[in-house]
Amino acid sequence: DAGVIQSPRHEVTEMGQEVTLRCKPISGHDYLFWYRQTMMRGLELLIYFNNNVPIDDSGMPEDRFSAKMPNASFSTLKIQPSEPRDSAVYFCASARTSFYTGELFFGEGSRLTVL
Amino acid sequence: TQLLEQSPQFLSIQEGENLTVYCNSSSVFSSLQWYRQEPGEGPVLLVTVVTGGEVKKLKRLTFQFGDARKDSSLHITAAQPGDTGLYLCAGANAGGTSYGKLTFGQGTILTVHP
Repeated sequence: DAGVIQSPRHEVTEMGQEVTLRCKPISGHDYLFWYRQTMMRGLELLIYFNNNVPIDDSGMPEDRFSAKMPNASFSTLKIQPSEPRDSAVYFCASARTSFYTGELFFGEGSRLTVL
Repeated sequence: TQLLEQSPQFLSIQEGENLTVYCNSSSVFSSLQWYRQEPGEGPVLLVTVVTGGEVKKLKRLTFQFGDARKDSSLHITAAQPGDTGLYLCAGANAGGTSYGKLTFGQGTILTVHP
């Protein structure tokens, strides 16, 4: 079975540009998470969905960040406008129901560099 | 906000040595997970511990959940270069406002030299 698929793997953009990161979760998983990883702050939860519905977006840094999950097999994380401090690796992860005793499956991440 | 503190942050050892990584919190977690992450990849689950005092073994790795479910440790026996990576602990809660959130520690970067 395919794992969590993220695209693009690498993105280099200039400050002020719009960035869209994409994620395809594992089929049958009810939960989808977006994390951001930096050396300074480690792995931070940005937002998570349950059955395509956003449950908690309290980790989203500010209004420049938005996330959608139009169906069970696709999610996007958008940054508009992007800033250099947004540079990080963004991970998407999915999990089955009752994930807290189960496993979180991570994608390979999207490395974003904002110049 | 629930926080998990990992120590040490960096660990550089020789092949064959033993090591222990600690994960501590002032909060109680319903479960705690350990992940391992290699460069350019996402974290991969090693183990989940649920019961206070629980001990789980995975080959040369031994995981323990504290009796009060506030802390955990990962012990590696006879470390090998293949153990090199970032080790992350993550705590989860099954209720309240933290439901659904997996809180990660900052991680321990382990380097095992041949």
